[in-house]
Amino acid sequence: KAGVTQTPRYLIKTRGQQVTLSCSPISGHRSVSWYQQTPGQGLQFLFEYFSETQRNKGNFPGRFSGRQFSNSRSEMNVSTLELGDSALYLCASSLGQGVSNYGYTFGSGTRLTVV
Amino acid sequence: AQSVTQPDIHITVSEGASLELRCNYSYGATPYLFWYVQSPGQGLQLLLKYFSGDTLVQGIKGFEAEFKRSQSSFNLRKPSVHWSDAAEYFCAVGYMRFGAGTRLTVKP
Repeated sequence: KAGVTQTPRYLIKTRGQQVTLSCSPISGHRSVSWYQQTPGQGLQFLFEYFSETQRNKGNFPGRFSGRQFSNSRSEMNVSTLELGDSALYLCASSLGQGVSNYGYTFGSGTRLTVV
Repeated sequence: AQSVTQPDIHITVSEGASLELRCNYSYGATPYLFWYVQSPGQGLQLLLKYFSGDTLVQGIKGFEAEFKRSQSSFNLRKPSVHWSDAAEYFCAVGYMRFGAGTRLTVKP
């Protein structure tokens, strides 16, 4: 079956713009989590969505937001981009919410560069 | 607070040699522990996970890990490393806390 699909793979944006990233989970998976990966800060949890509701949120400013649709696909939005937002953004999907033995499957990520 | 520490930023081993990557965690209860591998520019691939029960867990690609509650550790091991194992390895507690990663270089 198809894995977790993230689009686009690469993105270049200008400081001050906004960006929307998309994540399509594995069919049947209802939970989607988002992460930011940078060389300096490593992998940091952004938020988790389950059944169209945000269930957990990491320590990021309000410029970072997300949503989940009824088909479990999720989008992440970053407004007023800053240079420091340049990162690899990863999403992961799971059958269940939160920590569970279902495991998490990651997509290949979206590489965002802010210039 | 939950935390994960991977003490080794970079490890170099010769092909065919054994490997152990260290992971220490801080968590109040029995943690859900994971090891992932990431190749450059790619997402994370799950190697193995521990939830409860047998403290020695087997994963894919010949990896195994041992949960030691007394040492708060969950070290990843492989008896014989292959050149294709060169990558970055991440230990995680649950799905919100990741270690900083250990980059593995394999010498021919």
